[in-house]
Amino acid sequence: KAGVTQTPRYLIKTRGQQVTLSCSPISGHRSVSWYQQTPGQGLQFLFEYFSETQRNKGNFPGRFSGRQFSNSRSEMNVSTLELGDSALYLCASSLGPVGQAGETQYFGPGTRLLVL
Amino acid sequence: AQSVAQPEDQVNVAEGNPLTVKCTYSVSGNPYLFWYVQYPNRGLQFLLKYITGDNLVKGSYGFEAEFNKSQTSFHLKKPSALVSDSALYFCAVREGNRGGGFKTIFGAGTRLFVKA
Repeated sequence: KAGVTQTPRYLIKTRGQQVTLSCSPISGHRSVSWYQQTPGQGLQFLFEYFSETQRNKGNFPGRFSGRQFSNSRSEMNVSTLELGDSALYLCASSLGPVGQAGETQYFGPGTRLLVL
Repeated sequence: AQSVAQPEDQVNVAEGNPLTVKCTYSVSGNPYLFWYVQYPNRGLQFLLKYITGDNLVKGSYGFEAEFNKSQTSFHLKKPSALVSDSALYFCAVREGNRGGGFKTIFGAGTRLFVKA
């Protein structure tokens, strides 16, 4: 079974631009979560989606948004990019809502975003 | 709010020796605890989890972890380290919200160096 895929793998943008990242979960998985990883802040939770509904959101500004489609694929968008948005963005999928019976999340390889 | 702490930024061990990567947690209610490993330029790989049951949890690649409720710890262990175990290790706890959503809170990570 194919794992979680994320596209693109690498991205370079300039300040003020916007970016859209894509995540395809493992087949049959309906929950998708997004995380930002930076050397200074570590791994931080962005949002979680299940059945096209955002069920949880981390402490990020409104410039960060996401959505999930009926096929469980998810996108996250960052508008008006800032230098501090440079990070590795990780997507994770699980079978059902994260937390049900402690379900395991499986992570994709990430998208590395560099903002110049 | 739930949290995890990894008190060591780095752990050094010789190949063939036992290794321990420490993690302590703070939760309200029953904890859902996880260990993940990250290799350079890769996403996170699931190692093991504790939901309920036996305090000693066995996971992938020969790793195990011991849940200790009185000490609120969930240390990762391996009887005999391999050079290929050198990586970044994350302890994590699952937290739910009233709306049914969940998120995973990660520790800062511990870099393991195994010397040949």
